[in-house]
Amino acid sequence: GENVEQHPSTLSVQEGDSAVIKCTYSDSASNYFPWYKQELGKRPQLIIDIRSNVGEKKDQRIAVTLNKTAKHFSLHITETQPEDSAVYFCAASPGGSYIPTFGRGTSLIVHP
Amino acid sequence: DGGITQSPKYLFRKEGQNVTLSCEQNLNHDAMYWYRQDPGQGLRLIYYSQIVNDFQKGDIAEGYSVSREKKESFPLTVTSAQKNPTAFYLCASSIGSGSFYGYTFGSGTRLTVV
Repeated sequence: GENVEQHPSTLSVQEGDSAVIKCTYSDSASNYFPWYKQELGKRPQLIIDIRSNVGEKKDQRIAVTLNKTAKHFSLHITETQPEDSAVYFCAASPGGSYIPTFGRGTSLIVHP
Repeated sequence: DGGITQSPKYLFRKEGQNVTLSCEQNLNHDAMYWYRQDPGQGLRLIYYSQIVNDFQKGDIAEGYSVSREKKESFPLTVTSAQKNPTAFYLCASSIGSGSFYGYTFGSGTRLTVV
């Protein structure tokens, strides 16, 4: 089955800095890569996703890049703000069944 | 509340007791899922259902059971066979078979064994 590794497990940045979270996956058939943000005590929410036919997608301060050859994808947050503090999960859909496998999460802390 | 409702928000279970967590959605989504969340473990799939009256085991189904009698509802029962049930349980739904468009999650149920 699919295996998703996510790094780092904790990321601490100063407000205004950029943050990058990286994920690798094992199944070359995976073709959908969503990112979820979970604020403390709240439900995860989809913030951005990318499909295998594109290499990069941007939405204001967040962007996701995909390297299918290397089987890794990354979330980039620019000009971080305290409200970006949350746990971020990546996932990869293994194709066929469309059930994604999640990474273990990255706790992002943005210091004012 | 986002189209998918979980209840209760907090649940306490005694040793040897079965408890049922409710999940209801009004999004007309075909597929529904149950995940367990433990600190540092990410989201682990318990069961999923892609159509009514059908469901499949996920990675950690032992000690859990589900039913899918209605499209809107996917309750999860935590049985006494689940030896370490204390966790945060998340229900999710998605449009369903075919292309995948991401999940909508419920707000979760925190289950504690007392």
